[in-house]
Parts: sequence; structure tokens; C-alpha cells
Amino acid sequence: GEDVEQSLFLSVREGDSSVINCTYTDSSSTYLYWYKQEPGAGLQLLTYIFSNMDMKQDQRLTVLLNKKDKHLSLRIADTQTGDSAIYFCAESIGTDKLIFGTGTRLQVFP
Amino acid sequence: DTGVSQNPRHKITKRGQNVTFRCDPISEHNRLYWYRQTLGQGPEFLTYFQNEAQLEKSRLLSDRFSAERPKGSFSTLEIQRTEQGDSAMYLCASSPYNEQYFGPGTRLTVT
Repeated sequence: GEDVEQSLFLSVREGDSSVINCTYTDSSSTYLYWYKQEPGAGLQLLTYIFSNMDMKQDQRLTVLLNKKDKHLSLRIADTQTGDSAIYFCAESIGTDKLIFGTGTRLQVFP
Repeated sequence: DTGVSQNPRHKITKRGQNVTFRCDPISEHNRLYWYRQTLGQGPEFLTYFQNEAQLEKSRLLSDRFSAERPKGSFSTLEIQRTEQGDSAMYLCASSPYNEQYFGPGTRLTVT
């Protein structure tokens, strides 16, 4: 079946790195995504990775994919207070629907 | 083009009334998706269009829900005989192929 799991909370100090983890169950996922949601807002696409890749880097963001363990992570370097939000991991199969996790709330403190 | 837009942003309705939401996708995106998000949860897929064809509907979409995309551009989502359990944020996304770009959502409150 399709299931995506994330830890609920992460708290980091400003300037440190944040690592948000996600596990998924469907081995036929083709793309895996990270979205950011701020209070009362829609979802902002941060980055995504094709399932045959191990890593993708985009400025302060690094995505690591371990397909064998079905584990995805998002590392945010030099975390800022503006990074405080809920981060959702999602998987897709083909070009159809996204299956989302429950989200990880990132809190950045000074 | 400024992204996906949704109207209205907020809707308060009484139980039993019908409501309709509109989504305008990013131009030239041929795929359009509707999701529902309740408090503390991730979005859940409702339905998906490629151009004007509705290709998939979730089991969450009861017969009180209907969606259209008549000319392959904007889409509407209608809920008939609303129930309190329909209170949620309704999100629309459009996609050229792999990535889905979300609108700001319509928050529905059923009293």
C-alpha cells in the first residue's frame, strides 16, 4: 500500500543544519518531493528527486534518497527563522496523485 | 503568470447548502489536481484532470462531490448538501509533467 511517514516536530538553533526524515512504502514511486507550508498558506514546492538518483543539492537544500531502505531526507544548511514551517514529504507514482506524509513542524530558535 | 489561483479564499456555509470553488491553473499546465487538507494532516488526493478529461477520483470523493474542467483550463469543485465533516482546506495544483504547483487553497467552514 501507499504510506508516507514523518516525525512530527524538529527544533533547531538558527545557523545550525536541520535534517527532516521521511519513510515511504511504495517501491514503485517515481518521484519524491519536499514541500513547505507556512501558516494559512498553500504548499510551496522546494525540491524533488527522481527515484534513480541518490542525492540532489539546490543551494541550502540537500536531498538524500536511500531507495533500498525507502528513506528520504531533507537537509537545510544554515537554518534561518524564515525556515520555520511545516515540511511535507510526498511520493508520486507516474505523473499522478501525490501521497503526502503528515508533515514535520520545524521550529527555529535564536 | 503569477501561479495557481483559487477563489474564494474562505467560505463559511450552513450545513446542507451547496458550495462551489474555482481553480485557475498556471497557463499551459495540462494537468490539474484537487486535494483536501484537514488540520494537522497532509493533503489527501481527491481528483485529477488531464486537459478536460477527469482521469482519477479518490474514494474520498463521495457522490456529493463533483469536479469539472470544461475547456481544459480552469476547474470547479462543487460540494452538494455540505456536512460538518467537509470542513477543510481545499487545495488545487497544476502541473506541466512532474512537479505540482499549489494554489493558496480555499478554506471551507461548515456550521
